[in-house]
Amino acid sequence: GAVVSQHPSWVICKSGTSVKIECRSLDFQATTMFWYRQFPKQSLMLMATSNEGSKATYEQGVEKDKFLINHASLTLSTLTVTSAHPEDSSFYICSGGSDTDTQYFGPGTRLTVL
Amino acid sequence: GENVEQHPSTLSVQEGDSAVIKCTYSDSASNYFPWYKQELGKRPQLIIDIRSNVGEKKDQRIAVTLNKTAKHFSLHITETQPEDSAVYFCAASRGGNTPLVFGKGTRLSVIA
Repeated sequence: GAVVSQHPSWVICKSGTSVKIECRSLDFQATTMFWYRQFPKQSLMLMATSNEGSKATYEQGVEKDKFLINHASLTLSTLTVTSAHPEDSSFYICSGGSDTDTQYFGPGTRLTVL
Repeated sequence: GENVEQHPSTLSVQEGDSAVIKCTYSDSASNYFPWYKQELGKRPQLIIDIRSNVGEKKDQRIAVTLNKTAKHFSLHITETQPEDSAVYFCAASRGGNTPLVFGKGTRLSVIA
């Protein structure tokens, strides 16, 4: 199957700082990328959908000014958590889709905010 | 919007027995139903999927059934092995580049 990478795999930061997470589709062009968040022992919750070259669509309850998503190319999307707080600590997973139903997930980024 | 319910939340079976996990969905426009296996700290791994034009699909020890009328689909794992122990998620989407809505997950434990 297609490969999606994420960087970094884990990050620890101080409260109030910003963290950028990169999601790359390595062997296919991801016209759409999805960002999910997963708290411990919970399911994946969609945060936002981004299409290359356009603004992301955020789910209800997700602050677009706090979680900045950029999808500048067909192989790269970034999620920036601005002014991170301990409650933002979570497992962030991206997935990429092209022209089929299947989504390909990245390995995830574990964010810990102290 | 779509709502996916998944049961049970935990399931313990003896090695060699079968395991069944059930999901229901609410959006009649959903037409793509994947199942994922997730091990601790790792990405969800697609194990099988089914589309709404098919009622059943099988891949070795894993099978999925879909009842469009009742809006429910199920995962069947036969001859379970300890390495099948993980959290399993069902999901639904309208297909194409539309987001997946996940169930809450089932923690499966296979006891040797």
